Amino acid sequence: EDKVVQSPLSLVVHEGDTVTLNCSYEVTNFRSLLWYKQEKKAPTFLFMLTSSGIEKKSGRLSSILDKKELFSILNITATQTGDSAVYLCAAVDRGSTLGRLYFGRGTQLTVWP
Amino acid sequence: NAGVTQTPKFRILKIGQSMTLQCTQDMNHNYMYWYRQDPGMGLKLIYYSVGAGITDKGEVPNGYNVSRSTTEDFPLRLELAAPSQTSVYFCASSSGPKIAYEQYFGPGTRLTVT
Repeated sequence: EDKVVQSPLSLVVHEGDTVTLNCSYEVTNFRSLLWYKQEKKAPTFLFMLTSSGIEKKSGRLSSILDKKELFSILNITATQTGDSAVYLCAAVDRGSTLGRLYFGRGTQLTVWP
Repeated sequence: NAGVTQTPKFRILKIGQSMTLQCTQDMNHNYMYWYRQDPGMGLKLIYYSVGAGITDKGEVPNGYNVSRSTTEDFPLRLELAAPSQTSVYFCASSSGPKIAYEQYFGPGTRLTVT
């Protein structure tokens, strides 16, 4: 049973559109939620969210966490073809000493010119 | 700064063969991880290490072994390759679990077992 569920699994938009990617989690000892971008190679880190309601922003990307409802969203405004990638979210389990990450299956975003 | 490097990039194995996937990081990170990513799936943790000489199993350790003789290197060994081990393997490292969960990933090794 997946501990982290992402939706939608795939999304196709045109340049300039705004997209919202969803991530819900069910981790007993939740510490943080991470977002990664994966472009046919290694995932690269985007955001780490630990507190509810505090938006993290980086350029056209922003993300927010709701610890009460156990979900996070990743927004991308004015999408560009370079945003095409798989976006992964991962929930961190504070119960383990190593900072165990539980990954979702990812959302495949395709941005058409 | 190279970050996390992995070799080889691609490999095809026959059933029953053995191989070692190499992983090296130059960031002096204590924590290192091996994940596998099957098509359309998230990453699953195979093994991890919290420092030289210390390793432990993750979610899917069966069929794999690891060692950590130095801080920099964390090789993953497949002893008897099986088709179920066809996957993309990522090595990652981080400075520590309580300081920063940002894990830095290597470029991956695409393994096919036939």
